[in-house]
Amino acid sequence: GAGVSQSPSNKVTEKGKDVELRCDPISGHTALYWYRQRLGQGLEFLIYFQGNSAPDKSGLPSDRFSAERTGESVSTLTIQRTQQEDSAVYLCASIGPTGTGGSLAGFSSYNEQFFGPGTRLTVL
Amino acid sequence: AQKITQTQPGMFVQEKEAVTLDCTYDTSDQSYGLFWYKQPSSGEMIFLIYQGSYDEQNATEGRYSLNFQKARKSANLVISASQLGDSAMYFCAMREGPLYNFNKFYFGSGTKLNVKP
Repeated sequence: GAGVSQSPSNKVTEKGKDVELRCDPISGHTALYWYRQRLGQGLEFLIYFQGNSAPDKSGLPSDRFSAERTGESVSTLTIQRTQQEDSAVYLCASIGPTGTGGSLAGFSSYNEQFFGPGTRLTVL
Repeated sequence: AQKITQTQPGMFVQEKEAVTLDCTYDTSDQSYGLFWYKQPSSGEMIFLIYQGSYDEQNATEGRYSLNFQKARKSANLVISASQLGDSAMYFCAMREGPLYNFNKFYFGSGTKLNVKP
């Protein structure tokens, strides 16, 4: 498909277990963002990757959270020793070149976020 | 301090009427962008409209317009001629810095809009 995909769509885990959430961005998109959305609340920025630059990790809530991305491909968000307060929907979004030229020209290439469907994490 | 504040947790509007959803923001940057997203009950995030800090005119996209008051640091979304399909959560967001670079986005807590028939 042409959109952002995330897996799994739902994850139920026990407190204390580690979980890995996966995001497949749109091919060629330079930037990838992770957000957490607790029930009935707004999106909370976690981390973003931009090409091969060092990621902006300023939103990660604790050292139990980490994320990786190789180049401009798949990203994995890992939560270690999960807690009940980690229960939320984790959304991924990517931003990148639009149009057939593949260039980064244009507002959309730096600002239009394409969101995945999210992973609903429930920690029991 | 909150970067984005949405003070209306829930709003009701009669079908075919206009509605304004409030958003205020906090930044010391001169260059920034303001965004509105719609999130229906299905959970997908839909980009609606954008306003740049240097844009002199208010942004419009179909039935959506953004009432940008820079001195007040407000970026209210106006939906004209509401439709039942407009019932959803609406989020205001901001990114700081030059708009032709990547940067993080800050989101508000959202406003749940219900359109009554």
